[in-house]
Amino acid sequence: DVKVTQSSRYLVKRTGEKVFLECVQDMDHENMFWYRQDPGLGLRLIYFSYDVKMKEKGDIPEGYSVSREKKERFSLILESASTNQTSMYLCASSFPPVRSEAFFGQGTRLTVV
Amino acid sequence: GESVGLHLPTLSVQEGDNSIINCAYSNSASDYFIWYKQESGKGPQFIIDIRSNMDKRQGQRVTVLLNKTVKHLSLQIAATQPGDSAVYFCAENTSNRDDKIIFGKGTRLHILP
Repeated sequence: DVKVTQSSRYLVKRTGEKVFLECVQDMDHENMFWYRQDPGLGLRLIYFSYDVKMKEKGDIPEGYSVSREKKERFSLILESASTNQTSMYLCASSFPPVRSEAFFGQGTRLTVV
Repeated sequence: GESVGLHLPTLSVQEGDNSIINCAYSNSASDYFIWYKQESGKGPQFIIDIRSNMDKRQGQRVTVLLNKTVKHLSLQIAATQPGDSAVYFCAENTSNRDDKIIFGKGTRLHILP
């Protein structure tokens, strides 16, 4: 079974903190994605990566950065957390091309206070 | 179908009946479509996909219909079961924007006993 594992289910952080969300996949997928999910807004793409050291901006990259030093790991970084970044964060991975089944992690619910 | 504002549209269906979940997609150039199911507390899970050269595709208890003329996609679930209770997302991709899958806002399927 494909497994995409996000390091935390729930996180509470303070405004201004630097926050790291970690995602690891065990299927040797080239593609990895970070989404945020908010009620009524669906899933919005923050950043994605097609390979190690590669990253591309999605639709809402502001306030976020990413790191992909190893193929299996894709990290989302909130440089200075703000209350409007309170959300559910979902990591996904897939084989290329993008038009293929993506496997999602269970999500990290981040609350910024 | 697609939601407006912060509230997910909800479809309530009697157990054993067929469910039809609708989705209006945004880009007439989109040529690949996917349905995902998200159960409470979990990440989205791939159900079925369809390419624009088809207007119907069947899986196990699920059928996806594509009407490109009116940019409409539907997911039909036969003999709905309690385990089908979830939020369902349609997603689209275009071959000239092969880097992104764009998700809809989701529809909640509620199963009545």
